[in-house]
Amino acid sequence: DTAVSQTPKYLVTQMGNDKSIKCEQNLGHDTMYWYKQDSKKFLKIMFSYNNKELIINETVPNRFSPKSPDKAHLNLHINSLELGDSAVYFCASSSRGDDGGGRYNEQFFGPGTRLTVL
Amino acid sequence: AQSVTQLGSHVSVSEGALVLLRCNYSSSVPPYLFWYVQYPNQGLQLLLKYTSAATLVKGINGFEAEFKKSETSFHLTKPSAHMSDAAEYFCAVSPGGYNKLIFGAGTRLAVHP
Repeated sequence: DTAVSQTPKYLVTQMGNDKSIKCEQNLGHDTMYWYKQDSKKFLKIMFSYNNKELIINETVPNRFSPKSPDKAHLNLHINSLELGDSAVYFCASSSRGDDGGGRYNEQFFGPGTRLTVL
Repeated sequence: AQSVTQLGSHVSVSEGALVLLRCNYSSSVPPYLFWYVQYPNQGLQLLLKYTSAATLVKGINGFEAEFKKSETSFHLTKPSAHMSDAAEYFCAVSPGGYNKLIFGAGTRLAVHP
């Protein structure tokens, strides 16, 4: 069973197009994330949702809009794609720790979506 | 500001040799620390984590790491490298153990016969 899945795995599109990436987790976690990995392999968080509520938005252009229809899904919609959006996008999920202190357990990552904008 | 520095973007070892991947962090609050591994064209897999319990942490595939507060370090080691260990390794900090992960730039480990 795949814990965190993403579709599609590869996405090739033209500049100016709008595209979506879907993510689903079956781990029962209440928090989901989107990360961007650039060509130098650097990973940076973009968004975090907890129980369908946006809690982290890391100065991402508003062309990027995450949508969480339920706790198990977090989709990423990108408008007006630009060359610089080419990257690998990773979805992840995690749960809160048991100590009641608001801390989180480790994040589980999906396989990634390689987006190429031509 | 919180940050992670991984010394050495590329490390090359012989099969059977010691693996040492360095990670230093900066955090204004007690951190949670993680090592993830990424094999080519795959997602990230958790190797091990430090969450304020034992300072020497054992992970999967024979890896371990030691949290040293005085040195703000969390170096990853494995006594004997295997060809299958060749991958990209990422150190990450979660300040206070909250839900934001800040990653280092990664270290590519090559293992040669």
